[in-house]
Amino acid sequence: AQTVTQSQPEMSVQEAETVTLSCTYDTSENNYYLFWYKQPPSRQMILVIRQEAYKQQNATENRFSVNFQKAAKSFSLKISDSQLGDTAMYFCAFMKGGTSYGKLTFGQGTILTVHP
Amino acid sequence: NAGVMQNPRHLVRRRGQEARLRCSPMKGHSHVYWYRQLPEEGLKFMVYLQKENIIDESGMPKERFSAEFPKEGPSILRIQQVVRGDSAAYFCASSPDFEYEQYFGPGTRLTVT
Repeated sequence: AQTVTQSQPEMSVQEAETVTLSCTYDTSENNYYLFWYKQPPSRQMILVIRQEAYKQQNATENRFSVNFQKAAKSFSLKISDSQLGDTAMYFCAFMKGGTSYGKLTFGQGTILTVHP
Repeated sequence: NAGVMQNPRHLVRRRGQEARLRCSPMKGHSHVYWYRQLPEEGLKFMVYLQKENIIDESGMPKERFSAEFPKEGPSILRIQQVVRGDSAAYFCASSPDFEYEQYFGPGTRLTVT
């Protein structure tokens, strides 16, 4: 079974600064996908970024980027130029590959607060 | 294209009653997933369904919980004889064929009194 661990229950950052959220996972699979989801106070789950394990290049989406270390089973999220709207709970998630469909395994979440 | 719809958004039930949660996937999506989020926790997988079939129910409690995704109409998550421990947010997600990304609905918050 896969497990996802987020070791930082809470983080805070000043507006316009950079913050990195940590995530580690445990799996025996070689083919899988990794995701970061954002859950603002509205509770809507919003996909922030995704990474295919077979790709060596780290994914980037505007101010969001990941540091994917496959050997270390680490998948951290970097948020640059933090904005007040980034305040939310962030979840790291794992999906086994091999087919296009499958369940997501989530970490416990990190509450990020961006201060003005 | 409307997003994933869930209703009701909030549901209050007394202990022992039944709760029915509905999920309408995005148009063209034939894969539906249900997740549960207990307070202060991450989402936990419950069940994965395709039209008229349960594909993976490894996360479903053995008793009182059932799910269906009929040929016509929304997917239904049914909880019989609810208990206080069932109080949680229940999220539905859908995906189209040949795509692994799941699109989430806004969730249903169930409160058992």
